Amino acid sequence: EAGVVQSPRYKIIEKKQPVAFWCNPISGHNTLYWYLQNLGQGPELLIRYENEEAVDDSQLPKDRFSAERLKGVDSTLKIQPAELGDSAVYLCASSPGTGELFFGEGSRLTVL
Amino acid sequence: GENVEQHPSTLSVQEGDSAVIKCTYSDSASNYFPWYKQELGKRPQLIIDIRSNVGEKKDQRIAVTLNKTAKHFSLHITETQPEDSAVYFCAASRPGGSYIPTFGRGTSLIVHP
Repeated sequence: EAGVVQSPRYKIIEKKQPVAFWCNPISGHNTLYWYLQNLGQGPELLIRYENEEAVDDSQLPKDRFSAERLKGVDSTLKIQPAELGDSAVYLCASSPGTGELFFGEGSRLTVL
Repeated sequence: GENVEQHPSTLSVQEGDSAVIKCTYSDSASNYFPWYKQELGKRPQLIIDIRSNVGEKKDQRIAVTLNKTAKHFSLHITETQPEDSAVYFCAASRPGGSYIPTFGRGTSLIVHP
């Protein structure tokens, strides 16, 4: 069974540029999460989807971040414009509803 | 919201020794407590979890204990091996339509051969 797939794995951009991350969850997993992980820290929830509906996005900085999950499968997370402080690893995870999260390898963003 | 504190931030042990990582949580409604292992540059992966209806769970060399009254839970690794070296995250999740784990800050475990 394929795991959660994320792309790109690494992205380097200059500040004020836009960036987008893509996530393909495990087939059949209705719940999808985007987490932010700073160096030396635990993952912090940005947004959670139940199928195509965003049900928990209170931690998403909506002035510059946006996300979507069309058709309740793949998801994209966008930042526009990026700031220096956005440099981090963006983790996508999916879950079948048992509590266990299956994480992708993450997308490491560096903003110069 | 939930707040999870994790200690220590770094733990260094000799191969064969035991390692204990402790977490506390704030929301008494939390009822699911997973532990994730993240090797350098890799994705976090679930290694063990416990639900609030039990006090202890064991899987070979790893075990987790839960004290609901005190709102703390611990990960115990016995007979540590170099491949146990990684960052370990605890999390607490409250019941609802879906699980939303709040993670601790992580413990970097180093096992010296």
